[in-house]
Amino acid sequence: EVQLVQSGAEVKKPGESLKISCKGSGYSFSSYWIGWVRQMPGKGLEWMGIIYPGDSDTRYSPSFQGQVTISADKSINTAYLQWNSLKDSDTAMYHCVRRSNGEYYDYWGQGTLVTVSS
Amino acid sequence: QSALTQPASVSGSPGQSITISCTGTSSDVGTYNLVSWYQQHPGKAPKLMIYEVTKRPSGVSNRFSGSKSGNTASLTISGLQAEDEADYYCCSYAGNFIVLFGGGTTLTVL
Repeated sequence: EVQLVQSGAEVKKPGESLKISCKGSGYSFSSYWIGWVRQMPGKGLEWMGIIYPGDSDTRYSPSFQGQVTISADKSINTAYLQWNSLKDSDTAMYHCVRRSNGEYYDYWGQGTLVTVSS
Repeated sequence: QSALTQPASVSGSPGQSITISCTGTSSDVGTYNLVSWYQQHPGKAPKLMIYEVTKRPSGVSNRFSGSKSGNTASLTISGLQAEDEADYYCCSYAGNFIVLFGGGTTLTVL
C-alpha cells in the first residue's frame, strides 16, 4: 500500500528555521516526483514545487522560489520542505503529494500544520 | 501565472446533478489535457477524483465525470449524495513544470 507519512505539527516563532518531512512507503520512492502543496487557513491549494528523489532534480513555483528549499534523501525514502527564516504568513497546512506517471497527484500525505507566531 | 478560476460555491439537492467549472487560459487548461480534480472533506487531505480531464481513478464513483472545452474544464457530479458535500479543486499543468490549482469550490448538498 502506497503511503506518504508526514512529520507532526510544529509551532515556531518568526525568524526560526524549520524542516518538515514526508516519508514514502509501498512503492519505489526514487522513481516518482514528490511535490509540496500549501493550504493557508481557510484557503485553497497552492503548488509550491516538486523534486525527483532519484536525482534530486527540483523545480519551484515562481511564488515560492527562494522562500523554501525542497530536498530528498532517497536512502531513507524521505522528502523535505525547509525554511531558513519563518514568517507569520508561513502559517499553513503543508501537504506532500506523489506525482503519478502523468501530471496528477495520486497520493497525498496527511498534512503537517505549521504555526508561526510570536 | 494566476490561479485557475472556480465558482466559490455551488449547491444541489440529493439526486440532482451539478457542474463545477474551472477556467484557465490558452497557456494551461487550453493547451494541456492535464486537468485533474480533487475532493477535500473538512480536516482531511485532498483526494484525486478525475485526472487527464476525463479519467477516473480506480475506486471513484462513476457519478463523477470530467470534460473540457477550450480554456474551461468542468467536473460534473450526478446523483448527488450527502457524502459529496466537500470542497473541490481543479488543477492544470501550465508547462515548464508549473502547476496551477483553482481557488476551490464548496459544494453544499441541500
